[in-house]
Amino acid sequence: DIQMTQSPSTLSASVGDTVTITCRASQSISNSLAWYQHKPGKAPKLLIYKASSLESGAPSRFSGSGSGTEFTLTISSLQPDDFATYYCQQYNNYSPYTFGQGTKLEIK
Amino acid sequence: EVELLESGGGFAQPGGSLIFSCAASGFTFSSYAMSWVRQAPGKGLEWVSGISGSGSSTYYSDSVKGRFTISRDNSKNTLYLQINSLRVEDTAIYYCAKGSSGTYVKNYFDFWGQGTLVTVSS
Repeated sequence: DIQMTQSPSTLSASVGDTVTITCRASQSISNSLAWYQHKPGKAPKLLIYKASSLESGAPSRFSGSGSGTEFTLTISSLQPDDFATYYCQQYNNYSPYTFGQGTKLEIK
Repeated sequence: EVELLESGGGFAQPGGSLIFSCAASGFTFSSYAMSWVRQAPGKGLEWVSGISGSGSSTYYSDSVKGRFTISRDNSKNTLYLQINSLRVEDTAIYYCAKGSSGTYVKNYFDFWGQGTLVTVSS
């Protein structure tokens, strides 16, 4: 299985800050990486696919980069609605698809 | 507008069985692979099972293989998950997720339901 490791596990930031979350794969996954936002009691929401493509409807302050084994999600000018847990997911190997352990973004 | 609505979760005892469903609307259901992803209390997301758009191919994580059965009825736009030999560690919110293509290979999940809670306890 491909292991996905996110850092940090928890991130404290203020409205207006720019933050970066890192996701590392245990082997190369090319650019087959997605990022999701998840809030308690809600459906997870796709933000980024193919490492850097912004999903339709996702705010442009979200951006992704990387390829191979190292990827980043950057959120510019944090808004109150952005405080949530973020997950990366590799889809290069479908058996099984695997997620990172999550990064909880908290208000400082 | 894409909508995925899970139902059928609930309380069950270890060793028992449950079947729950996901009603889909707003897209051509048979054209897309679907998956079930779960989240145990206090844990992250875990993919558990997937099925191709036609239903001809199914996939399971090692942790559930042999106990979980995924299926779909494209005439009813509904996805199912049957769990047998329930374990306490199956306690989780189960989400259905729409795949990005009809084949199962290289899918990310572009729409998710709100989830159905399964609690396994004696």
